[in-house]
Amino acid sequence: GDSVTQMEGPVTLSEEAFLTINCTYTATGYPSLFWYVQYPGEGLQLLLKATKADDKGSNKGFEATYRKETTSFHLEKGSVQVSDSAVYFCALSARTNAGKSTFGDGTTLTVKP
Amino acid sequence: ETGVTQTPRHLVMGMTNKKSLKCEQHLGHNAMYWYKQSAKKPLELMFVYSLEERVENNSVPSRFSPECPNSSHLFLHLHTLQPEDSALYLCASSQDLQATDTQYFGPGTRLTVL
Repeated sequence: GDSVTQMEGPVTLSEEAFLTINCTYTATGYPSLFWYVQYPGEGLQLLLKATKADDKGSNKGFEATYRKETTSFHLEKGSVQVSDSAVYFCALSARTNAGKSTFGDGTTLTVKP
Repeated sequence: ETGVTQTPRHLVMGMTNKKSLKCEQHLGHNAMYWYKQSAKKPLELMFVYSLEERVENNSVPSRFSPECPNSSHLFLHLHTLQPEDSALYLCASSQDLQATDTQYFGPGTRLTVL
């Protein structure tokens, strides 16, 4: 079946540090890939997405590139801020089963001033 | 109101109580979802509705009973729950069931079963 493996957390960084959160997936066909973010006390919200190979999703300084050859969708940001502290979820949605997205376990990021 | 709203935000209930969670989406979407989020466990999909018809029921115990009276509203009826059912229950909606569709989540209902 489909699966998503995320880098284990928690991750603690200083402000302005470079961030990478690794995400790899297993799926049949060519799924759509997503990064969602969950701030304390809130539901998940879309951070960025990519729907085909080599697409790059970007938003608020975050980027991720859909790499079919390595089945990866790593999240990066060049300079994190304290306000980026949250839980980040990688997810996929397969074309054959689109009502059933598969989520990673989530990675907790804490950014210290 | 905009987006996806959920009520109540917090709920404490005994094992013999009956309660309902409510979700409303103001986005004109056709699909709605219930998820369970427990500490240290992956997000669990419980139910999926498309145009008010249930299309996914992920082996959820019968003490959880969903209801979708129209495409804007989704309920989760709870009865005789167990302490292990304590969790954050998230509602989400999407335009349809396309793989490219983004899911929009509500803030969740924090449920505690005593």
